[in-house]
Amino acid sequence: AQSVTQLDSQVPVFEEAPVELRCNYSSSVSVYLFWYVQYPNQGLQLLLKYLSGSTLVKGINGFEAEFNKSQTSFHLRKPSVHISDTAEYFCAVSDDFGNEKLTFGTGTRLTIIP
Amino acid sequence: GAVVSQHPSRVICKSGTSVKIECRSLDFQATTMFWYRQFPKQSLMLMATSNEGSKATYEQGVEKDKFLINHASLTLSTLTVTSAHPEDSSFYICSARVGDTEQFFGPGTRLTVL
Repeated sequence: AQSVTQLDSQVPVFEEAPVELRCNYSSSVSVYLFWYVQYPNQGLQLLLKYLSGSTLVKGINGFEAEFNKSQTSFHLRKPSVHISDTAEYFCAVSDDFGNEKLTFGTGTRLTIIP
Repeated sequence: GAVVSQHPSRVICKSGTSVKIECRSLDFQATTMFWYRQFPKQSLMLMATSNEGSKATYEQGVEKDKFLINHASLTLSTLTVTSAHPEDSSFYICSARVGDTEQFFGPGTRLTVL
């Protein structure tokens, strides 16, 4: 079984400042890793995913994440945030055996301060 | 990208009634769809995996007789909450799998049981 930990439930950041949202996972097998964004009263939108290959993954809206196997982390970063980035961000994991079930973290609420 | 719709977006019903929620893949065929439940300020919890033409697979602790899932075609899965009670009030989100790893999420349905 896998689990995902997002230690920061809320992260306030000033506009145009950098941000890092932390995600750590636990799994006994190899995993795929995902970051999703959820805007108010909407479903989830995929920001980026790590399946294999380069550990630095670039996604939409200027976000990127780095897979660190030794630290079992997949932190999300953006060098300069905008007001429109205010949303809930979820880290998720699935195993790479074709079991497509996603296990989600509890989410991080990113609030951009003008 | 692939588009998944849900209907209705919001529903209010009386305790004891049944509510049906539809999940449609609009521009692709999905052999597998997933149903999630999200409580306020919490993460998504997988309820069941829906495969076209076969019975749904429910997660531990989810009552299959209460949450009826039908996946009658490659573009439609339905979730029926039977004899709904106030504790069933939640945000229900479906997703459809494309390929081996990616899920596209619907916008969600907010159910309020009075």
